[in-house]
Amino acid sequence: DAGVTQSPTHLIKTRGQQVTLRCSPISGHKSVSWYQQVLGQGPQFIFQYYEKEERGRGNFPDRFSARQFPNYSSELNVNALLLGDSALYLCASSRLDPTPGNTIYFGEGSWLTVV
Amino acid sequence: DAKTTQPTSMDCAEGRAANLPCNHSTISGNEYVYWYRQIHSQGPQYIIHGLKNNETNEMASLIITEDRKSSTLILPHATLRDTAVYYCIVRAYSGAGSYQLTFGKGTKLSVIP
Repeated sequence: DAGVTQSPTHLIKTRGQQVTLRCSPISGHKSVSWYQQVLGQGPQFIFQYYEKEERGRGNFPDRFSARQFPNYSSELNVNALLLGDSALYLCASSRLDPTPGNTIYFGEGSWLTVV
Repeated sequence: DAKTTQPTSMDCAEGRAANLPCNHSTISGNEYVYWYRQIHSQGPQYIIHGLKNNETNEMASLIITEDRKSSTLILPHATLRDTAVYYCIVRAYSGAGSYQLTFGKGTKLSVIP
């Protein structure tokens, strides 16, 4: 079975632009989360969605938004890009309602560079 | 905030067992301990998780102390491909029905030939 897939794998944007990152969860998984990983640090939680509803939000500005579609895929949008938004953006999925015992699996990420 | 403490780095000889310690002294009764690893520029890879009992799978073993304040991840026969940053995470309730993963800085494991 395919794992969590993300697109694009790499992209370069200019300050002030907007970007959309896409994620397809593992088949049968209904919960999707987004994480940001800046170089040299561990991933930081941005959003979690379950059954198309937002279930959690990390400490990120309103420039960051996300949504989940009926097929459980998800998009992360970032508006008004700043240089500090340059990072690896990770999508993760889990099978069921996000309880603490359900395993979360990560994709390979989308590398965003803002110039 | 991260609720775990791990050594910054460790070395292990190839073929030997790698024992990675983690302290989580403030863990609550319903919080799970998760281990992930991340090889440079790749997404985190799930290794194992547990609540109170020791766990074993094809990748590793997880030993949790009886008071649950610390745990050890054991890679039984380390190979060069096990060189990575290993994250020990206490998965806690973060509100609105969400149990997110809060990553710390992890342990950089270097497997030496």
